[in-house]
Amino acid sequence: EAAVTQSPRSKVAVTGGKVTLSCHQTNNHDYMYWYRQDTGHGLRLIHYSYVADSTEKGDIPDGYKASRPSQENFSLILELASLSQTAVYFCASSNRPQDTQYFGPGTRLLVL
Amino acid sequence: GDSVTQTEGPVTVSESESLIINCTYSATSIAYPNLFWYVRYPGEGLQLLLKVITAGQKGSSRGFEATYNKETTSFHLQKASVQESDSAVYYCALGDRGSGGSNYKLTFGKGTLLTVTP
Repeated sequence: EAAVTQSPRSKVAVTGGKVTLSCHQTNNHDYMYWYRQDTGHGLRLIHYSYVADSTEKGDIPDGYKASRPSQENFSLILELASLSQTAVYFCASSNRPQDTQYFGPGTRLLVL
Repeated sequence: GDSVTQTEGPVTVSESESLIINCTYSATSIAYPNLFWYVRYPGEGLQLLLKVITAGQKGSSRGFEATYNKETTSFHLQKASVQESDSAVYYCALGDRGSGGSNYKLTFGKGTLLTVTP
């Protein structure tokens, strides 16, 4: 069974602070993705990666950095967290971009 | 750009009744769309419910069905008789079959919260 895990599952951060969200997959997939979901919106792609040590911008990359140190791990970094980044964040992986994506359980981030 | 529009929630249905969640899409930058329904149960991540990559074909899973209609650009989700365990958020999504373009993302609808009452 494909598995994508995320940590933490929830976090409260202060405005201006640094936040790191982590994702780990055991699927041996090349592609990994970070999405955010806000009330009233579908999931929107922040960053993605198709190989270790390389990341690509998605549709809404501003205010976020990503890091892919290995095939299994993909982090999302908020250097200066802002109120507008309060959302649920989902990580996903897939073998190829057109294949089924497997999602983690999500991280609920509240920035105060 | 590409977009997906689906039934605004929340939707409440009584157990054993039928269900339809509408989904229409616009694929302006995708030559060969793949269409998906994902489901998110409480406390869990999204998981694939069904996927159809060829226009005119129907996908089915767990009693749910959806037909890829290229003429009406629709991919409605239907179930003849829902159960309480179907209570979840349902997402319609649009992807690229991989025609050689650079569209690596899924485009999601906003999600439809379904509650099935006993």
